[in-house]
Amino acid sequence: SYVLTQPPSVSVAPGQTARITCGGDNVEKKSVHWYQQKPGQAPVLVVYDDTDRPLGIPERFSGSNSGNTATLTISRVEAGDEADYYCQVWDTKTYQYVFATGTKVTVL
Amino acid sequence: EVQLVESGGGLVQPGRSLRLSCAVSGFNFDDYAIHWVRQVPGKGLEWVSGINWNSDDIGYADSVKGRCTISRDNAKNSLYLQINSLRPDDTALYYCARSSGFISTNKPFDFWGQGTMVTVSS
Repeated sequence: SYVLTQPPSVSVAPGQTARITCGGDNVEKKSVHWYQQKPGQAPVLVVYDDTDRPLGIPERFSGSNSGNTATLTISRVEAGDEADYYCQVWDTKTYQYVFATGTKVTVL
Repeated sequence: EVQLVESGGGLVQPGRSLRLSCAVSGFNFDDYAIHWVRQVPGKGLEWVSGINWNSDDIGYADSVKGRCTISRDNAKNSLYLQINSLRPDDTALYYCARSSGFISTNKPFDFWGQGTMVTVSS
């Protein structure tokens, strides 16, 4: 089955940039979606189709996808961005959605 | 306002069955695919199953294939997940979430419910 790999944690100071990677075999051929999940809350879609933002998501959230790595970038990080972030793709071979294990973003 | 509300969770013994429900409102239910995603407390997200608007495109995770049946009743704006032969590793918070189109078109999950907890234990 298709495997997505994320770093377990990323730490960033307020105002700086956080980059969360999502690795997968030739992931650039797939559309990657990103979700933010704060403690005790349901996930929220923050980036879809590699680079697009849903209505209401700040422009500080952006995405890219190239080669074997998709990246979620959070610019000008705020304390409220502290959360777990998950990437997701559809695996056509197994006919299943796949989530990575998630990255905990800590704002120092 | 888009709402998805899960119910049906609880404490169940291993080997028993359970049916989860997801009631939706605030959007045209039969325009969307709906999915079940579960999360073991403190762990990551796992897609369980999805069904498109007219039930002719359905998928299951390997971990539940053969034990789960997803269904929907568009007249009742409701989604269901029947889980049989429950195991302790099915213990999780079960979310329903919507996406557009067929489940195989890799559409994002743009709205989620708050989840219903299933605990499998003797």
